Amino acid sequence: DAKTTQPNSMESNEEEPVHLPCNHSTISGTDYIHWYRQLPSQGPEYVIHGLTSNVNNRMASLAIAEDRKSSTLILHRATLRDAAVYYCILRSSSNFGNEKLTFGTGTRLTIIP
Amino acid sequence: DTAVSQTPKYLVTQMGNDKSIKCEQNLGHDTMYWYKQDSKKFLKIMFSYNNKELIINETVPNRFSPKSPDKAHLNLHINSLELGDSAVYFCASRGMNTEAFFGQGTRLTVV
Repeated sequence: DAKTTQPNSMESNEEEPVHLPCNHSTISGTDYIHWYRQLPSQGPEYVIHGLTSNVNNRMASLAIAEDRKSSTLILHRATLRDAAVYYCILRSSSNFGNEKLTFGTGTRLTIIP
Repeated sequence: DTAVSQTPKYLVTQMGNDKSIKCEQNLGHDTMYWYKQDSKKFLKIMFSYNNKELIINETVPNRFSPKSPDKAHLNLHINSLELGDSAVYFCASRGMNTEAFFGQGTRLTVV
């Protein structure tokens, strides 16, 4: 599986935007970029995913670099409930059924009230 | 309705015992997984099943045996429990072209 690199931790003030970076320099053409987060004492939950174009949904936005070697998850207005570990994961679209989500160490996001 | 449900939520047992964790998904997904999250919070895949067929077995000891009686269920049986098996175990499911949905986890403590 292609590897991703994320900062171990980040802090942000409540109600401010948060930009969570992810580097994936060995990404292949069939890899989708997925983001999951894990709130304290819960299972991981899906946040967003994309292939080449920037994506928006109700939870966040995903900005993908033109060369696809990096991406940024954007929380537009962080709340205390967004405090979690955020995982950037690459998932190939070419091998359905034999895929696995390989979690790295993620970024622990702390929101300061 | 809970999409992916695991039972029990907590499990405390003695070394050497055999225990099972059950997982059920009501999403109609074909693929189900078991993940283990150790004390350092690292999430590692253990097994993947697709349409009741074992697809991925990530060099997990033979003491761990998954069983999928049907597409909606993937249970995990653990024989001869060891202290190192203490962890949180997550079940997940995924359909074609959908994201993965995770259960709330089963915290296993072996004493």
